[in-house]
Amino acid sequence: DAEITQSPRHKITETGRQVTLACHQTWNHNNMFWYRQDLGHGLRLIHYSYGVQDTNKGEVSDGYSVSRSNTEDLPLTLESAASSQTSVYFCASSDGGASGGYNEQFFGPGTRLTVL
Amino acid sequence: AQRVTQPEKLLSVFKGAPVELKCNYSYSGSPELFWYVQYSRQRLQLLLRHISRESIKGFTADLNKGETSFHLKKPFAQEEDSAMYYCALKSSTLGRLYFGRGTQLTVWP
Repeated sequence: DAEITQSPRHKITETGRQVTLACHQTWNHNNMFWYRQDLGHGLRLIHYSYGVQDTNKGEVSDGYSVSRSNTEDLPLTLESAASSQTSVYFCASSDGGASGGYNEQFFGPGTRLTVL
Repeated sequence: AQRVTQPEKLLSVFKGAPVELKCNYSYSGSPELFWYVQYSRQRLQLLLRHISRESIKGFTADLNKGETSFHLKKPFAQEEDSAMYYCALKSSTLGRLYFGRGTQLTVWP
């Protein structure tokens, strides 16, 4: 069955370290998204991609980067982790083009990141 | 600018009581609205989308363009409805979703 996975599921790191969170989907979806979930803020979009070599910034992109070298993967990198980036991170994917039609987003299980 | 507002962070009801989770939006175009749900220890999943006008697990939601609302309703809440609920707006030009801050629903026995 097609699915979307994230790894690691839990990560503890130190301030200043570079961290990469993996997201892999086997739906063959064009669109992939990264969100962070924080109490009182809900889900906020970090970065998103509509296809290979395409990346776009969301509302809270500072301190994060992504690259899309193939359809299946969209890794999220924290260049220099900060305590404010302690959060739960969700990856999602959806079918269809950037603007056309209805395209439900399917979410991964999440990665809980703690920055000490 | 597009915005989704869920005014209640927490909502508690007793089993069998009606429940309404509020969602208001601001969007200049023609909106597409969704409700997503996250049960404890599970991933976020789609519950409802306004274009299908369906009822899922007893929940319904009607888009009211005059009041710019998309409230989620269920006439008789069940304990298994306890979860975090997110209202989301899809941008017609960019295809991305804008989420509200979420409402944690607790249904007491």
